[in-house]
Amino acid sequence: KAGVTQTPRYLIKTRGQQVTLSCSPISGHRSVSWYQQTPGQGLQFLFEYFSETQRNKGNFPGRFSGRQFSNSRSEMNVSTLELGDSALYLCASRLAGGRAYEQYFGPGTRLTVT
Amino acid sequence: EDQVTQSPEALRLQEGESSSLNCSYTVSGLRGLFWYRQDPGKGPEFLFTLYSAGEEKEKERLKATLTKKESFLHITAPKPEDSATYLCAVQGSSGGGADGLTFGKGTHLIIQP
Repeated sequence: KAGVTQTPRYLIKTRGQQVTLSCSPISGHRSVSWYQQTPGQGLQFLFEYFSETQRNKGNFPGRFSGRQFSNSRSEMNVSTLELGDSALYLCASRLAGGRAYEQYFGPGTRLTVT
Repeated sequence: EDQVTQSPEALRLQEGESSSLNCSYTVSGLRGLFWYRQDPGKGPEFLFTLYSAGEEKEKERLKATLTKKESFLHITAPKPEDSATYLCAVQGSSGGGADGLTFGKGTHLIIQP
């Protein structure tokens, strides 16, 4: 079974621009979560989507948004990029429901803002 | 607010030298504690889920245990390929069931041949 895929893998943007990242979950997984990873803050939860609805959101400004499509693929958008947005953005998918919250991560998109 | 603290931040061991990594947590209603392994340039790889105090799980040279306040990841006779950053995360019930995981900052483990 194919794992979580993320595109693009690397991205360089200029401050003030916007960016869209894409994530395809493991087949059959209906929940997709996004995380930001930086050396200083570690892994921080951005938001989770299930059945095209955002179920929860972490403590990030409104410049960070996302959506999920009917095939469970998800996109994350960051508008008006700031230097501090440089990070590894990770997508994770899981089977929704049940006791387990085991998430499986993709390889990430490395975003550099200059 | 859920919190996770991992120690030590970095650990260097000789091949075959067993040790333990610590994960201390505070959470409102633990729904699960998770261990992940992350190699440089890659996403975290799922290792274990623990649900209640006293639970233990094993996989090859790794064994995870859970108490009401902390979890340990025991590494027995490690090999160089066990070198990685090990991340601990918790899911609490404070957010109504749809919270993302709260991660610690990880322990960077180096196994020297």
